[in-house]
Amino acid sequence: ETGVTQTPRHLVMGMTNKKSLKCEQHLGHNAMYWYKQSAKKPLELMFVYNFKEQTENNSVPSRFSPECPNSSHLFLHLHTLQPEDSALYLCASSLDTGTPSYEQYFGPGTRLTVT
Amino acid sequence: GQNIDQPTEMTATEGAIVQINCTYQTSGFNGLFWYQQHAGEAPTFLSYNVLDGLEEKGRFSSFLSRSKGYSYLLLKELQMKDSASYLCAVMDSNYQLIWGAGTKLIIKP
Repeated sequence: ETGVTQTPRHLVMGMTNKKSLKCEQHLGHNAMYWYKQSAKKPLELMFVYNFKEQTENNSVPSRFSPECPNSSHLFLHLHTLQPEDSALYLCASSLDTGTPSYEQYFGPGTRLTVT
Repeated sequence: GQNIDQPTEMTATEGAIVQINCTYQTSGFNGLFWYQQHAGEAPTFLSYNVLDGLEEKGRFSSFLSRSKGYSYLLLKELQMKDSASYLCAVMDSNYQLIWGAGTKLIIKP
């Protein structure tokens, strides 16, 4: 138990569906992250929020839309996804983004399958 | 471009010692992290190195040489529960983590 929860743990969706992934952290952190993890590939940083403000968007397609209503909650809204978007989506949090030694705490991930 | 290299898979025997290497080329350096990820679970933090040398934490140690762009994670007295993937990540000058693809460690009895 890392203090970061994600729901749902598994999601199967068609290419025309709209769904949302939810992340919640109970650590009092100010920074939250979305990562994509594909088999045998490095973690890909998608979005970063610090004090509810988006600070990074690493060229992520617009079919992925993040939302951060407060420092404890982070959403990833999905629509018209492609099969290549099937992956494990990990949420993480840290105290903030500007201090190098602050490690990130990860949630267990949502295993997404796009059919 | 930025690049982190680590072996894809390693096998070791219970009770033995294993060293997992990581080499990096990044835009700036603000420290190197090692994370452990068991199958189907979240990555968990193991160590952070920003200065050259060896940091020891129980059965796990991490070494850094900034001039060589090189780190290793040393696991001693291996246990079956150490079977996992080990992820190396470097924080670049923009305070972004650049990740390696991970090393899957298989422990045999």
